[in-house]
Amino acid sequence: GAGVSQSPSNKVTEKGKDVELRCDPISGHTALYWYRQRLGQGLEFLIYFQGNSAPDKSGLPSDRFSAERTGESVSTLTIQRTQQEDSAVYLCASSSDYLRTDTQYFGPGTRLTVL
Amino acid sequence: AQTVTQSQPEMSVQEAETVTLSCTYDTSENNYYLFWYKQPPSRQMILVIRQEAYKQQNATENRFSVNFQKAAKSFSLKISDSQLGDTAMYFCALTGTASKLTFGTGTRLQVTL
Repeated sequence: GAGVSQSPSNKVTEKGKDVELRCDPISGHTALYWYRQRLGQGLEFLIYFQGNSAPDKSGLPSDRFSAERTGESVSTLTIQRTQQEDSAVYLCASSSDYLRTDTQYFGPGTRLTVL
Repeated sequence: AQTVTQSQPEMSVQEAETVTLSCTYDTSENNYYLFWYKQPPSRQMILVIRQEAYKQQNATENRFSVNFQKAAKSFSLKISDSQLGDTAMYFCALTGTASKLTFGTGTRLQVTL
C-alpha cells in the first residue's frame, strides 16, 4: 500500500558527471512517468512508460537524458554529462492506466543540484 | 499542442474564508481530463480534484470544488473554509489521449490567520 518512492531525495553533483535517479511506482501500476520541475515553474513531461509498449520519449530535452524501466516495476532516469541547467526537481508518477487518463500519483521527487 | 495557463502567481486568503484560483486551457481533443494538484513545501504533489470533460456536473471534494466552463475552456478551483494546511502551490493540469499531464505554472496560495 506504499506510495511512489524516489531515491535519492537530494543529489549534488559536479558538472560533467553522470547521475542516476530511481523511482519505485505503486505496486500494480502499469504506467510510469517522469517530469522535471525547474525552480518556480510547473512540471515538464519527460518520458512515459506503459507496460511493454515502447516508451513515449517525446519530452526528453536532449540525448544526454535516458530512462529505463524493468517490466512494471522500478525505473531509472539517467542524465549523462550533467549541466547546470539540469538542476531541478525530478518527479516520478505512476497510474493504473486501466483508463489512459487515470489519475497519476506522484513521488516526493529528487532535487538535483549541478555545481 | 495542449496549454494550461494560470494567471495568478500568488494569492492570499484569511483562514475560514473562500478563495478561487483561476485556470484556462487549450486543447484540440474532445475527450480530456482536468486536475488540480497541490504541492506543499514537502514537494509532494497531491491530487486535489479531478474533472472529466464529458461530465457537465462540476466535481466537488469536501471543501474543494471546481467551476468547469467547457466552452470558455476555464477550470477554476474554489476552496471554502480555508485552513492553514491549504497553504501550498496549486497546479492546474490537463491530459488527453497522450496520457502525459500538461501543467500550468502554478499559483502560490498563502492562508493567513
